Amino acid sequence: QKEVEQNSGPLSVPEGAIASLNCTYSDRGSQSFFWYRQYSGKSPELIMFIYSNGDKEDGRFTAQLNKASQYVSLLIRDSQPSDSATYLCAVKEYGGSQGNLIFGKGTKLSVKP
Amino acid sequence: DVKVTQSSRYLVKRTGEKVFLECVQDMDHENMFWYRQDPGLGLRLIYFSYDVKMKEKGDIPEGYSVSREKKERFSLILESASTNQTSMYLCASSTSTDTQYFGPGTRLTVL
Repeated sequence: QKEVEQNSGPLSVPEGAIASLNCTYSDRGSQSFFWYRQYSGKSPELIMFIYSNGDKEDGRFTAQLNKASQYVSLLIRDSQPSDSATYLCAVKEYGGSQGNLIFGKGTKLSVKP
Repeated sequence: DVKVTQSSRYLVKRTGEKVFLECVQDMDHENMFWYRQDPGLGLRLIYFSYDVKMKEKGDIPEGYSVSREKKERFSLILESASTNQTSMYLCASSTSTDTQYFGPGTRLTVL
C-alpha cells in the first residue's frame, strides 16, 4: 500500500516565525508533489506543487523536495494567524492511475499571535 | 480561475433515501474525483473518472455509484443512505499535470 505520512500535529508556532511541515512517501518512483491548505470546514486549496529536487519558492512559501530521502517539506516564513489550517501533502505515484493522487492525513498548524 | 461547484453545501437525508450529489467543473478537465473526508481518516477516494462514461473504483466504493454523462459533470449516488455515510463529500477535477482542484464540499448528514 503506497503511503504518504505526515505528523498530525498540532504544530504551534508564534506569529512571525518559520513553520516547517514535513511529509514522507513510500513510493520511490513518485513524480509530482503537492501541498494543499485546508481551513476548518472548508475544502482543500492548492498552495504549490513541486516536481524536481531542490527548493521552489512562492511568496512566503517554500517547498523542498528530496527524492533520495523520499521527503518533501513546506516552509512558511513570517507565519501569520491566518496561516492556521491543516496542510495536506499529496503525491502522484509512478504508474498511478491518471490524475490520481495519494493524500496524507494532514498536519494541523496553529500560529499564535 | 478553475471553478468546481457542488450542488449543495449542506444536506440532511433519512436512512434509506437515495441521495444525489452533483459536481460541475468549467475547465474542460478530463479527470474528476469524489472523496469523503472524516476526522482522523483524511481524504478517502470513492470513485474517479478519466473520461465521459468511464469510471474507476477508488478505495471505498461500497455503497456508492457514480455517473458521468457529460465531461463537465460527475455525480455521486448513494443508493440507500446509511448513517455511516454521514461525512463531508468533496469533488475534485484535475489537469493533465495531475493538479487537483476541489469544490467547496457537501456536508451530508444521514439521520
